[in-house]
Amino acid sequence: EAGVAQSPRYKIIEKRQSVAFWCNPISGHATLYWYQQILGQGPKLLIQFQNNGVVDDSQLPKDRFSAERLKGVDSTLKIQPAKLEDSAVYLCASSLDMGVSGSSYNEQFFGPGTRLTVL
Amino acid sequence: SQKIEQNSEALNIQEGKTATLTCNYTNYSPAYLQWYRQDPGRGPVFLLLIRENEKEKRKERLKVTFDTTLKQSLFHITASQPADSATYLCALAPGSYIPTFGRGTSLIVHP
Repeated sequence: EAGVAQSPRYKIIEKRQSVAFWCNPISGHATLYWYQQILGQGPKLLIQFQNNGVVDDSQLPKDRFSAERLKGVDSTLKIQPAKLEDSAVYLCASSLDMGVSGSSYNEQFFGPGTRLTVL
Repeated sequence: SQKIEQNSEALNIQEGKTATLTCNYTNYSPAYLQWYRQDPGRGPVFLLLIRENEKEKRKERLKVTFDTTLKQSLFHITASQPADSATYLCALAPGSYIPTFGRGTSLIVHP
């Protein structure tokens, strides 16, 4: 089974420029997540999709970050304009469904991430 | 405020010994707690989940305990190997919400 794919793997931009990241989740996974991981910290959820609808975007800086998941499969995360503090690894994850119910747990599968450096 | 604490200092142990990592939390009432492994340049990989009503969970050489009174989880790797060297993250979640991650602890197993 193919894992979560992300591209590009690395990106270097100057502040105030724009950047976009792409994620292809595991086939059949309804839920997709974008996380930001700053060096030395744990991943922080930015946005969660269930199919092509947004479930939680409370920690997404909406003045500069946007994300979409067209047709409920691939997703893109965009930053416009970028700031120095946006330098981080952006991780995409997917799961069959969201949350925990009864005795089942929908494990999250993470992609390799995109390392963004803003100069 | 809610806080998840994992030791920021790396844990260095000798091959064959048991590694024990700690995850402490405050101002949380988690329904479950997870442990992940993260290697450099890769995304986290899920290892174990333990629910609030479970005291202990095992999977091969891994063991997790969850003490909701102490607000602490311990993660053990028995008979550790150099291949176990990685960063280990704990994550807590209330109910069906998405977990919040700690910063992780680096484990280095020396041959």
